Amino acid sequence: EAQVTQNPRYLITVTGKKLTVTCSQNMNHEYMSWYRQDPGLGLRQIYYSMNVEVTDKGDVPEGYKVSRKEKRNFPLILESPSPNQTSLYFCASSFTPYGGSEAFFGQGTRLTVV
Amino acid sequence: DAKTTQPTSMDCAEGRAANLPCNHSTISGNEYVYWYRQIHSQGPQYIIHGLKNNETNEMASLIITEDRKSSTLILPHATLRDTAVYYCIVREASWGKFQFGAGTQVVVTP
Repeated sequence: EAQVTQNPRYLITVTGKKLTVTCSQNMNHEYMSWYRQDPGLGLRQIYYSMNVEVTDKGDVPEGYKVSRKEKRNFPLILESPSPNQTSLYFCASSFTPYGGSEAFFGQGTRLTVV
Repeated sequence: DAKTTQPTSMDCAEGRAANLPCNHSTISGNEYVYWYRQIHSQGPQYIIHGLKNNETNEMASLIITEDRKSSTLILPHATLRDTAVYYCIVREASWGKFQFGAGTQVVVTP
């Protein structure tokens, strides 16, 4: 089954403790991205990757890092999480970054930083 | 800023067609219209997309006006499981970011 898999689904952590949210897709997609969703602000793009070893900032990259060492994986790294990073996170992938190609989203990771 | 305008909410009776409007008056010739939905806090689910022509798939139909300034998503026979927030998104052909707005909260009632 074609899918984007995120782990963990739920995470509660403390301020400053480094964490990684994993994202994996099995569709051989080139383009992957991370979004966060907050009440009243909708979904906002954090980082994206056009292909292996090619990543760039989205609209709200502060406090986050990403890497793309393999085509299928695109982990989101929070080096020193803070309470304002409490949010619902989604990973997405598409065959290409261009219009006409639909994006598939993971089921989300609900992160709470206390 | 989102390039689309949608009603905040709408109700639909189960078994009836749901017609969801979207205005995108500033759309340019190389921009696609996409529809996604989000059920509760699950990941957004792709529904359909189009450029100029009307499109239909197993989930829905997309009707785009001739001037492309608005479109309508049609769910032909709404079920309770279609209750969700529906997002209309305009996406450039040359660039990948999906700009999500506030969407339309659709509630399907028995």
